[in-house]
Amino acid sequence: EPEVTQTPSHQVTQMGQEVILRCVPISNHLYFYWYRQILGQKVEFLVSFYNNEISEKSEIFDDQFSVERPDGSNFTLKIRSTKLEDSAMYFCASSVDKVGTIYFGEGSWLTVV
Amino acid sequence: DQQVKQNSPSLSVQEGRISILNCDYTNSMFDYFLWYKKYPAEGPTFLISISSIKDKNEDGRFTVFLNKSAKHLSLHIVPSQPGDSAVYFCAASAQGNTPLVFGKGTRLSVIA
Repeated sequence: EPEVTQTPSHQVTQMGQEVILRCVPISNHLYFYWYRQILGQKVEFLVSFYNNEISEKSEIFDDQFSVERPDGSNFTLKIRSTKLEDSAMYFCASSVDKVGTIYFGEGSWLTVV
Repeated sequence: DQQVKQNSPSLSVQEGRISILNCDYTNSMFDYFLWYKKYPAEGPTFLISISSIKDKNEDGRFTVFLNKSAKHLSLHIVPSQPGDSAVYFCAASAQGNTPLVFGKGTRLSVIA
């Protein structure tokens, strides 16, 4: 069964460092997403991406965040200068279309120290 | 601003009995609702969905009920099994217009 895959599964980084989280969405999906879940809190939407551009973003997704689809298969989330409060599980997700079911990857656990 | 609310943080049910997980929403524009199941250190796994044109959708042991007038939906699991122990998230969207909005989740424990 096709699935969304994410790397790394866990990353520890120093405050102020840049982090890139990588995702390979399901191959025939056209919409891509990043969500995050801070420990003990709910899953929160960060950004959606379609046709090589951001289609929606939340207020969490400020200038320190960026997304890119560098080739035909990868979808990345970059955090330019990490802060302690960026520590969270980051989930990549994809869907066939804008109204379809969204399928999530297993998550990348980011710890900022 | 909690547009999707799951007021019970946890629920314990005996194996074989029915589990009922509840979810309320405030945004009347929501017309598509999903339940996701999440094990520790894993991503949310899609379980079942319902569109606002229906009031019930069933898939095996899982049934979702939607009461639009009350802005309430529930997930029924019958019979509950120990492997169902996980955190269940309710999510909603206005089709084609908004990203998924999640509730805070309910941790279900099915006791053998």
